[in-house]
Amino acid sequence: SQQGEEDPQALSIQEGENATMNCSYKTSINNLQWYRQNSGRGLVHLILIRSNEREKHSGRLRVTLDTSKKSSSLLITASRAADTASYFCATDTGRRALTFGSGTRLQVQP
Amino acid sequence: EAGVAQSPRYKIIEKRQSVAFWCNPISGHATLYWYQQILGQGPKLLIQFQNNGVVDDSQLPKDRFSAERLKGVDSTLKIQPAKLEDSAVYLCASSFRDYLFTDTQYFGPGTRLTVL
Repeated sequence: SQQGEEDPQALSIQEGENATMNCSYKTSINNLQWYRQNSGRGLVHLILIRSNEREKHSGRLRVTLDTSKKSSSLLITASRAADTASYFCATDTGRRALTFGSGTRLQVQP
Repeated sequence: EAGVAQSPRYKIIEKRQSVAFWCNPISGHATLYWYQQILGQGPKLLIQFQNNGVVDDSQLPKDRFSAERLKGVDSTLKIQPAKLEDSAVYLCASSFRDYLFTDTQYFGPGTRLTVL
């Protein structure tokens, strides 16, 4: 079964707007990671946030983690057409392989 | 640093035929994963290797799927015989767990399998 579930399943925005995706999970984690997948390609690691962190930034990406609510959000600021992709959260319990959610498909209109 | 290599990139076969996929992980990565990604879904783990030993194959349909990682480097995933529902992208990833037990995975481009 999927550990992480992303919301929304699909998101369409205009270039320059911000995009927010949410992820909920079920069990305790060591860290949570976000990956991007362009159509027909493999997944690319974007950012990792550890269970003792609440917020992390990387360029135009901002990730938050609320372990009490077992949820995370990924914010992409000033979106570009090149950000069009599927975004997956993945939970790492430190014991087993990553468990991926079903993803959010982001479409950025130029 | 070279990334994870996979071949072939695309494969079309008839049902009941067999097919094999190859993966070469990033040098030095002890852990190798095979995932199945059905269209519109997230990757689902099929099998995880640590060096040349199997760590987790609980979701591998062992009646038709097999995988090996000889000498703890390259790996092959085989399907025999293939079914229509095996149509998917097969992703290979590799990683190493650091001292904080963090597992960041590096993915290959995948093999898109179509079973007719």
